[in-house]
Amino acid sequence: QQKVQQSPESLIVPEGGMASLNCTSSDRNVDYFWWYRQHSGKSPKMLMSIFSNGEKEEGRFTVHLNKASLHTSLHIRDSQPSDSALYLCAARGSALGRLHFGAGTQLIVIP
Amino acid sequence: EAAVTQSPRNKVAVTGGKVTLSCNQTNNHNNMYWYRQDTGHGLRLIHYSYGAGSTEKGDIPDGYKASRPSQENFSLILELATPSQTSVYFCASGDGTASYTFGSGTRLLVI
Repeated sequence: QQKVQQSPESLIVPEGGMASLNCTSSDRNVDYFWWYRQHSGKSPKMLMSIFSNGEKEEGRFTVHLNKASLHTSLHIRDSQPSDSALYLCAARGSALGRLHFGAGTQLIVIP
Repeated sequence: EAAVTQSPRNKVAVTGGKVTLSCNQTNNHNNMYWYRQDTGHGLRLIHYSYGAGSTEKGDIPDGYKASRPSQENFSLILELATPSQTSVYFCASGDGTASYTFGSGTRLLVI
């Protein structure tokens, strides 16, 4: 069983719409979350990270974290076709520097 | 510019043959990682290293060996390749406290 669960598996939103992606860890030792974005045929690139309870905003992207439930969410407002990609959530657990990745959410933004 | 370089980019191997995937980083990171990516599974950790001379088993190490002869280089070795090892392999480096930097990936086909 994967330690990091992501939902939904896939998401289709219209251009200009809001995309909301979820991620939960089952490892109580997790202290840090990252969101990566991977365009088709490319390598994952770090999008945002969060380790404190609350919210962090960078441009059109907002990340929330609830440490008590080990749940993080990524919200993309004014979605663009260029945002179409696989979004991977990663959590750092008990082994120093080792990240566990979820299976990802495939986002498709329709023009 | 700091980077992670993988070679080869594409590889076709025969069943039972030996395959070596190479990774070089100029980030001066202590930690290096090998992942494979398959649809529906996200990134799964095969082997990782905390520094030159060290290798650790990840979540799916069976059928793979790793070698870290120097700070910069980390290799993944398939002694007896099988078709089930057909996948996309990513190398990454990290300093243990921040995000990873990924290489561009190696697409391996075992026939």
